[in-house]
Amino acid sequence: DAGVIQSPRHEVTEMGQEVTLRCKPISGHDYLFWYRQTMMRGLELLIYFNNNVPIDDSGMPEDRFSAKMPNASFSTLKIQPSEPRDSAVYFCASSPGLAGGSSSEQYFGPGTRLTVT
Amino acid sequence: GDSVTQMEGPVTLSEEAFLTINCTYTATGYPSLFWYVQYPGEGLQLLLKATKADDKGSNKGFEATYRKETTSFHLEKGSVQVSDSAVYFCALSRRKGGSYIPTFGRGTSLIVHP
Repeated sequence: DAGVIQSPRHEVTEMGQEVTLRCKPISGHDYLFWYRQTMMRGLELLIYFNNNVPIDDSGMPEDRFSAKMPNASFSTLKIQPSEPRDSAVYFCASSPGLAGGSSSEQYFGPGTRLTVT
Repeated sequence: GDSVTQMEGPVTLSEEAFLTINCTYTATGYPSLFWYVQYPGEGLQLLLKATKADDKGSNKGFEATYRKETTSFHLEKGSVQVSDSAVYFCALSRRKGGSYIPTFGRGTSLIVHP
């Protein structure tokens, strides 16, 4: 398997613009997670899905952030409008969950480095 | 709520030194415990795991034992290499209802000098 795929790897945009980050999880994984990583705040869980359904979005910082998972092989994280404080590395991760005796470890993508000027 | 506490970094060692990174957790029930490693410019990757009390996870010379009595999962390696320089994250996951909840520590940076 190719692992978790994220695109783009780097994104530079101006304040006020819409940004869309994309993720393709590992096939057969039931869970998908979006994280944000910054030096100041560390690794923050934004939202996660189970079988394409959002389970917990309490980590989404504000209404400017939204996430969707229209099918089992694709998810997006959208920021509209973007602000300089949104600059961070955004990670997507997937997990097989607890089915079949799995211990719910997560597999991370390479991340998208977002810079908002 | 659940929480994971790791020792503050950076941890700076010379090559071949012994490594310990402390990790303690707070969670109800019986969580699974993990160590992840993040190399510069990359995503986190699973290093080792333990799913029940007294289990020992091991990989690439790293070890950690699930200690329920002390709610700890300390990471150890007998002889570190320069290539081990990275950020290490302790994490847990716990079943809640039909889903499960992941919780990560803040990460500990390890720098190994030749």
